[in-house]
Amino acid sequence: AQSVTQPDIHITVSEGASLELRCNYSYGATPYLFWYVQSPGQGLQLLLKYFSGDTLVQGIKGFEAEFKRSQSSFNLRKPSVHWSDAAEYFCAVGGLGTGGFKTIFGAGTRLFVKA
Amino acid sequence: KAGVTQTPRYLIKTRGQQVTLSCSPISGHRSVSWYQQTPGQGLQFLFEYFSETQRNKGNFPGRFSGRQFSNSRSEMNVSTLELGDSALYLCASSDRTGAVEAFFGQGTRLTVV
Repeated sequence: AQSVTQPDIHITVSEGASLELRCNYSYGATPYLFWYVQSPGQGLQLLLKYFSGDTLVQGIKGFEAEFKRSQSSFNLRKPSVHWSDAAEYFCAVGGLGTGGFKTIFGAGTRLFVKA
Repeated sequence: KAGVTQTPRYLIKTRGQQVTLSCSPISGHRSVSWYQQTPGQGLQFLFEYFSETQRNKGNFPGRFSGRQFSNSRSEMNVSTLELGDSALYLCASSDRTGAVEAFFGQGTRLTVV
């Protein structure tokens, strides 16, 4: 079965600074990997996904993520954070387990942006 | 294309009552997954329906059940509500089984008093 770990419960960055959110996964084969963002009281919105191919994937809102198989990681990055990026970010891993294909979410990292 | 619609948005129920939540997926999507989100437990998978069949189930008691209709709309039912069932319930719609590249609704905030 797959699992996903987001080591940072919350992160604070200054507006305009760069951002990296960490995500580590456990899965026996190449997983499907996702990053979602959730604003308060809202559902989740897909930022980007990795299925195969180029390990550096571009997403919406200026985000990118890099799949590193050797480190079992899929970290999310943004070169310059805007105040509107303050939200909770979820890494997710999809794969075959008992009972079929399932997507599992990490515990989330809350991003605070200071002026 | 209309997004995923969950109704109602907010609900207050009393312990012991039952509740039914509704989710209308994106047109053409046959997979609907349900998640419970709480501050302490995060996002926990409840179950997934694909073409009216339950494809996968999480580790929740039998009080939590669901179904999917021929038009792909799904309902989730919780019987004998407990205080701990207070949560944001999210529905995710996908054109493939397993909530791959899912689109989420805004959720139903359930408060049990």
